[in-house]
Amino acid sequence: EAGVTQFPSHSVIEKGQTVTLRCDPISGHDNLYWYRRVMGKEIKFLLHFVKESKQDESGMPNNRFLAERTGGTYSTLKVQPAELEDSGVYFCASSQVGVLRTEAFFGQGTRLTVV
Amino acid sequence: AQSVTQLDSQVPVFEEAPVELRCNYSSSVSVYLFWYVQYPNQGLQLLLKYLSGSTLVESINGFEAEFNKSQTSFHLRKPSVHISDTAEYFCAVSEVGGGFKTIFGAGTRLFVKA
Repeated sequence: EAGVTQFPSHSVIEKGQTVTLRCDPISGHDNLYWYRRVMGKEIKFLLHFVKESKQDESGMPNNRFLAERTGGTYSTLKVQPAELEDSGVYFCASSQVGVLRTEAFFGQGTRLTVV
Repeated sequence: AQSVTQLDSQVPVFEEAPVELRCNYSSSVSVYLFWYVQYPNQGLQLLLKYLSGSTLVESINGFEAEFNKSQTSFHLRKPSVHISDTAEYFCAVSEVGGGFKTIFGAGTRLFVKA
């Protein structure tokens, strides 16, 4: 069974540009989460989808970040326009819903560098 | 709200020595507890988890962690480390039955030296 996959693995963009990160969750996992780790700091929650609905987006830093999950399958996280402080590693995770949910499975992460 | 504190940012240790990575959490509700590991240039992997039952949980590669409710701790231990254990370790909690988001500690970098 394939795990959570993220694309791209690395991205280097200039300040002001737009970047879109993609996450493909494990098949059948309705929960999808985005997290971010800024260098040297803790991994912070950004938002949570249940299928295509945003369940909790309390961690989204500002309106330059837009997450979508059309059709309840893969998700995208767009940063527009990117700022220097957006650099970090963006992790995606997925899990099952309800009593079967005991842990989230993480992807490899996308390392974003804004220069 | 929950929070997780990992008391050591870096832990250097010699190969075959024992190690303990400390983790304390704060929560007003019941939580699941996890340790994740990130090896160099790889993603996050679940190392072990405490859901309920026995307070001592073990991983397949010799790590163990003990849930101590009175001390709100979930320290990770290994009696004899290998060079290959060099990685960053994250303690995390997730609210039981709701919330679904995982709260992470800042991570502890374990360096195993020959």
